[in-house]
Parts: sequence; C-alpha cells; structure tokens
Amino acid sequence: GEQVEQLPSILRVQEGSSASINCTYENSASNYFPWYKQEPGENPKLIIDIRSNMERKQTQGLIVLLDKKAKRFSLHITDTQPGDSAMYFCAAKSNNAPRFGAGTKLTVKP
Amino acid sequence: GALVYQYPRRTICKSGTSMRMECQAVGFQATSVAWYRQSPQKTFELIALSTVNSAIKYEQNFTQEKFPISHPNLSFSSMTVLNAYLEDRGLYLCGARDNQDTQYFGPGTRLLVL
Repeated sequence: GEQVEQLPSILRVQEGSSASINCTYENSASNYFPWYKQEPGENPKLIIDIRSNMERKQTQGLIVLLDKKAKRFSLHITDTQPGDSAMYFCAAKSNNAPRFGAGTKLTVKP
Repeated sequence: GALVYQYPRRTICKSGTSMRMECQAVGFQATSVAWYRQSPQKTFELIALSTVNSAIKYEQNFTQEKFPISHPNLSFSSMTVLNAYLEDRGLYLCGARDNQDTQYFGPGTRLLVL
C-alpha cells in the first residue's frame, strides 16, 4: 500500500513547549520524507526533509526522526512560538510520487 | 537553483467549463511530474504521475478523461481540468523530480469554480 497516516489531526500547545507529529507509512521502499508547513490561504512550504540513509536531522528548532524498521517518522518542534501555528503535512516517497498525510493543525497558545 | 513555476497562480472558471494549468521546471530536468489536488480543508491527493516517454499513471478517482495531462519534455507539464464543477475547486500542486530523486513543488494553481 501507499497510505501515509498522520497523527494527531489537531494539536494545541503552550508557547515555549515542544510539539510532536507522527507519521507512519506502508511502502518499505519509501526513501524520502519531507515535511510541509501550510498557513491559511498559502501554499505549502518545505520546512525539513529526511532521506532513508539518515535516522535524525535537525535544523532551526526542527527535528525529524526516522525509524525505517517501524516505518515511522516524526517531526518535533522545540520551543514553539505563535508563528508556528499552521497546518503541517508529512509525506513519504518511494519510486513514484510522494504521498501526503492528512495533516495536523497546530495551534500555539501565547 | 532548482525551481518549479506554476501558471496561473489563481483562476476562476464557470461551472462546466475547462481550465488548463501549467508547470515549468527551471534549473533542472524533471524526470517525472506529479499533480496533486488539495480540496478545501483537506490534504493533498495525488491525481497522476507523469514520466516523459511513459504512460501517465492516474490514481483511483482521477481519470485522463477528466484531467488530461501533457508532458512533452523534461521541463514542462500541463494539466487540464475538463468540465469543472464545484468539487474540482482547490489548490492544484505540481511536483517535479530531478535525476537525484529530489522532489520540488511549485506554488500551486488555486482554482475557484463559480
């Protein structure tokens, strides 16, 4: 299968705390896992990605983890700010096109 | 750098008419192009994957008769939404893959159907 499951669908956190979003995929041949942030009325923007030859990647307050054995990957936003409030989508790509998760609506409360 | 342009960025069409959108890869040669649709409040559904010199593969619920795609060369692809109705509104995203297997997405074409 090619399904990508994403949880939670809604996430509310307090400013300064961390937020975590989890995704699982079915196709063991998937080798590329991008994350996108989409603000209301805007197009999705790539914020971080990880390839299957890595288990962890970090950039500017974002951490992605990949567990190929469990076919699971996750996004962790440290020290969240109100500006992090948005929809977040994970995706997994094998030989074909990336498949997207259903999205997580993150709200960071001041 | 590698960029993907989409045109138009926004468009409005009357119900029952057709609308063509374009996707241009700049700075690299796209080995394949994937078209997606994001309906309001939803995620990105894969419509079809187009590879030059190969048959275009459509996902379930999407057909060539409704969404014909042209991919004549390694930098350009176009898709038409035929006989558009309200359920076709949304953001249409084009993703182009280079020969290093990196996927680049365009800014999307937002379609409004009246």
